[in-house]
Amino acid sequence: QVQLQESGPGLVKPSETLSLTCTVSGGSVSSGSYYWSWIRQPPGKGLEWIGYIYYSGSTNNNPSLKSRVTISVDTSKNQFSLKLNSVTAADTAVYYCARVQVGATYHFHSWGPGTLVTVSS
Amino acid sequence: DIQMTQSPSSLSASVGDRVTITCRASQSISSYLNWYQQKPGKAPKLLIYTASSLQGGVPSRFSGSGSGTDFTLTISNLQPEDFATYYCQQTYSSLITFGQGTRLDIK
Repeated sequence: QVQLQESGPGLVKPSETLSLTCTVSGGSVSSGSYYWSWIRQPPGKGLEWIGYIYYSGSTNNNPSLKSRVTISVDTSKNQFSLKLNSVTAADTAVYYCARVQVGATYHFHSWGPGTLVTVSS
Repeated sequence: DIQMTQSPSSLSASVGDRVTITCRASQSISSYLNWYQQKPGKAPKLLIYTASSLQGGVPSRFSGSGSGTDFTLTISNLQPEDFATYYCQQTYSSLITFGQGTRLDIK
């Protein structure tokens, strides 16, 4: 059974870059059957989809985050990563990584436990 | 963007009750609708995909229906472990969006 685990700094200063990595075990990021996605949830609020990446490196990101988001994949390490630059307090959230089943429709069937990232000086 | 609106935002129910949560899309999304359950401090868990398909391992008391713009999640015979927040999600558009959530509390 696939497992995902987010890792990265829990505290980021305003205007700096948030960097997170999702390590996948029990499955391969090189599989053509899945997208690999990031989702976030500000404290006490709802879910916001950030973007996803395919093993080939093609991505689809949420336009609301404009050009601040970069998602990449490292097949040699079986990991994918998120970079969000120029962060503000509004980017404080629990960040989740997830595996997305690709087919006739998409659904997010496996999630990491999430990691809280606080933006503060 | 496709806006997803859930109703109610919160509801209270008792063990054994049958509850229905509604999700409405701002435009037709065919059956590209998923439902998730989230408990405090935990990641969301997929319950229903493609509007009505039950994810493996999810109890059969959960069911989903709908297509186009109107969808429902029904939980029959509520169990104590079902008290949580529920989210709908559309994947019709390349910009994936979630509903705002419905919090289900014990009455």
